[in-house]
Amino acid sequence: NAGVTQTPKFQVLKTGQSMTLQCAQDMNHNSMYWYRQDPGMGLRLIYYSASEGTTDKGEVPNGYNVSRLNKREFSLRLESAAPSQTSVYFCASSENLQRVGGELFFGEGSRLTVL
Amino acid sequence: QKEVEQNSGPLSVPEGAIASLNCTYSDRVSQSFFWYRQYSGKSPELIMSIYSNGDKEDGRFTAQLNKASQYVSLLIRDSQPSDSATYLCAPDYKLSFGAGTTVTVRA
Repeated sequence: NAGVTQTPKFQVLKTGQSMTLQCAQDMNHNSMYWYRQDPGMGLRLIYYSASEGTTDKGEVPNGYNVSRLNKREFSLRLESAAPSQTSVYFCASSENLQRVGGELFFGEGSRLTVL
Repeated sequence: QKEVEQNSGPLSVPEGAIASLNCTYSDRVSQSFFWYRQYSGKSPELIMSIYSNGDKEDGRFTAQLNKASQYVSLLIRDSQPSDSATYLCAPDYKLSFGAGTTVTVRA
């Protein structure tokens, strides 16, 4: 019962470094999402993929890129990390084919610190 | 006006009491609603889904939906310390969440 798996769980970067957060789901879901959560800010959508082969910007996409590698995997890349990107990142997935959203299943989160 | 607004909290209730959480939304497109619970330091988890007007009960949790008033609520009966968490309301078609309502159940 893996559900949604994120790696790494913790990462410390220096300003300007790049890194990729990996996400995989084993529920055969069509849609996948990347969120960030900052204290008191709630979850903010970075990018999402409604289905394999498509990606769209969310609320806060600047400084990030994504790849929907296949139906299972959705990665988030920080090309040049900034201290403002220090956050907890959550990957999520949902079954819906007809519409985006609905019941979301979350990974455990990746805590990123940019110095 | 924000798309989704929750009673801001924090909400503190004694053990055994009812915790009442409210959520209003601004659009008329959303057809279903979801309540997520997030413990401190953990990821959100879905606890209730409601798809039609009226009440839906699941154990100690009751969700109420009123589409005409664009209002959805979550009642937690017989609150337990294990219910202490942040609760997030989310309509379908919307992919972002508010900050949620933090509930603390006092033993």
